[in-house]
Amino acid sequence: DAKTTQPPSMDCAEGRAANLPCNHSTISGNEYVYWYRQIHSQGPQYIIHGLKNNETNEMASLIITEDRKSSTLILPHATLRDTAVYYCIVRERSGGSYIPTFGRGTSLIVHP
Amino acid sequence: NAGVTQTPKFQVLKTGQSMTLQCAQDMNHNSMYWYRQDPGMGLRLIYYSASEGTTDKGEVPNGYNVSRLNKREFSLRLESAAPSQTSVYFCASSDPGTGFNYGYTFGSGTRLTVV
Repeated sequence: DAKTTQPPSMDCAEGRAANLPCNHSTISGNEYVYWYRQIHSQGPQYIIHGLKNNETNEMASLIITEDRKSSTLILPHATLRDTAVYYCIVRERSGGSYIPTFGRGTSLIVHP
Repeated sequence: NAGVTQTPKFQVLKTGQSMTLQCAQDMNHNSMYWYRQDPGMGLRLIYYSASEGTTDKGEVPNGYNVSRLNKREFSLRLESAAPSQTSVYFCASSDPGTGFNYGYTFGSGTRLTVV
C-alpha cells in the first residue's frame, strides 16, 4: 500500500497558485519526500524533493511541516501545461533497496 | 539525449505469445526498475535491479521475468502473454549512491495490448 494520501483531484485557474497537499504520517526520520508529475500517459517527471526544510527550484516549491507528516507542493503560477497527475512519493524499503511507491496521485486540472 | 530509452513504444500481442521489452539508460545509474500502469491507477512495481547482477521482485511480478544484461540494460519478458497484462510499462533508473538530487528518471513507456 502507498504510504501517502493525496486528494484524487483538484482544479486551479491559470495564473494562480496551485497548492497540492500530501499526507505521509508514517514517514521515517531520514526519508525524503519526492514529487513527480505525469502528463497524459508520458513517463513520470521529477519535480522536487525534500527532507525537512522547505525547498524551491525552477518548477515548484515544497513546504514540509515541522513534524514531517505532511507536505504541500506549490506551483506558483499555474499554466495550462501544468495539467497533469501529481504524485507524492515516499520510498519503501525492500530488501537492501529503497523503492519509490506510487499511489493514485492528484489529478490537477488548470483551466483558463 | 541522456535518459531512459524503451523499445518498442507500442505492441499488440495475441494471448500466449511471448515478447521482451527493452530498456536502456545512459546515465551510468546503478538501479533500474520496471513498472506497469493500468488506466486510472498509479504505477506498480514489477521487478527492480538494485545493481548490475541483481534482480528482485516488486509488487506484481507474476507472469514476468527480467534480465539485467549489463549496467545499461534491463529487459522485461512476458513468456505467455495474457489479456490481464494489457498495460503501459515504464522503465526507470536511479543512482542512490550519488544521493537523491536527481530522483528517478523514467522512460516514455511501452503501450502493450494483449488480445
